[in-house]
Amino acid sequence: AQKITQTQPGMFVQEKEAVTLDCTYDTSDPSYGLFWYKQPSSGEMIFLIYQGSYDQQNATEGRYSLNFQKARKSANLVISASQLGDSAMYFCAMREAGSSNTGKLIFGQGTTLQVKP
Amino acid sequence: KAGVTQTPRYLIKTRGQQVTLSCSPISGHRSVSWYQQTPGQGLQFLFEYFSETQRNKGNFPGRFSGRQFSNSRSEMNVSTLELGDSALYLCASSPFGTADQPQHFGDGTRLSIL
Repeated sequence: AQKITQTQPGMFVQEKEAVTLDCTYDTSDPSYGLFWYKQPSSGEMIFLIYQGSYDQQNATEGRYSLNFQKARKSANLVISASQLGDSAMYFCAMREAGSSNTGKLIFGQGTTLQVKP
Repeated sequence: KAGVTQTPRYLIKTRGQQVTLSCSPISGHRSVSWYQQTPGQGLQFLFEYFSETQRNKGNFPGRFSGRQFSNSRSEMNVSTLELGDSALYLCASSPFGTADQPQHFGDGTRLSIL
């Protein structure tokens, strides 16, 4: 069954340091997409980064990179040089490619990140 | 390019009433998905529409329904509201709803049931 697990309910990081948010997933579909989203306290969900199951290289977007370990079924988000504005809830999500999953993202429970000045 | 627009931002209703939420996707996006977010259950998929057709539906009772118009705008309706329907309702759009396309979310509608 498709499932996303984020084991860190909350994390602290010092400003300007790097932080890794963990995400493991479970799927039997060989084709899938993995996504990370940021949700500030105001509520909007902001797309950060995408990794396809067949991508050979780890995805990067500015200060965000995704450490994709397919055999371990993990897709950790790395934020480099943390900023105060990075304080938010972070969600890992997956979309299987099967036709019964159109438009359906499965989300983890989220990790609350607090950046300390 | 304008983002996903959800209206209204906030709603207060009482039990037994019904409510309609609106979502305007990013221009050119034809897939619209709806999610419910609560502290206890997290983010749960409600349904997805594409070209005015519901292609996928989550595990919610029939009180939750939706539709999509020819301009890709979508509405979600909840009838006979219950206290447990209090949640943040998020709408997301993507070009075709495929696994390689990120969904872009609106700011959400926060629904409170008294």
